[in-house]
Amino acid sequence: AQSVTQPDIHITVSEGASLELRCNYSYGATPYLFWYVQSPGQGLQLLLKYFSGDTLVQGIKGFEAEFKRSQSSFNLRKPSVHWSDAAEYFCAVGNFGNEKLTFGTGTRLTIIP
Amino acid sequence: DTAVSQTPKYLVTQMGNDKSIKCEQNLGHDTMYWYKQDSKKFLKIMFSYNNKELIINETVPNRFSPKSPDKAHLNLHINSLELGDSAVYFCASKDRGLRGTEAFFGQGTRLTVV
Repeated sequence: AQSVTQPDIHITVSEGASLELRCNYSYGATPYLFWYVQSPGQGLQLLLKYFSGDTLVQGIKGFEAEFKRSQSSFNLRKPSVHWSDAAEYFCAVGNFGNEKLTFGTGTRLTIIP
Repeated sequence: DTAVSQTPKYLVTQMGNDKSIKCEQNLGHDTMYWYKQDSKKFLKIMFSYNNKELIINETVPNRFSPKSPDKAHLNLHINSLELGDSAVYFCASKDRGLRGTEAFFGQGTRLTVV
């Protein structure tokens, strides 16, 4: 069964500082990996995705993530955060076949001035 | 135009009532989902439909009955509502197959059972 672990429930960073959100997955074959962001009271917006090819993927809003098969990780990074990045971030794993997305428990990001 | 739209956005109702949430997508996708997000923000899949056919049913109580009149619509009917049903329900859709596997989500329906 596929699963996702986001070990950090809540992270606080200063505006302008760099960010890394951790995500580890469990899946037997090559996974499809996603990062979604949820702003308060909003739905989920896709930040970026990995299907195959280059293991460093670029997304919207200046985010990037790196797929590391040896570590079963897909960590999200941003070099300099903005106050508007405060939100809940979800990592998800899916696969071609059963059409099912499994989400991690989310990481809440707080930005301080 | 909104790609995945849900109605209503907020729903407050008493225990024991029956309610429905509607979802429509205009992306031409084949697959639609219902997810439940609990108070701790945990997102769990409930159902998935592909071209009006149920393909995923994640041990959801049978008080929850999805209905897909066509591939652009997936409604969720809930009978005999309980306090524990209070949550945010998200509809999502995606293309099936190699053309793309990212899911697009609606804005959510916040259901409060009192």
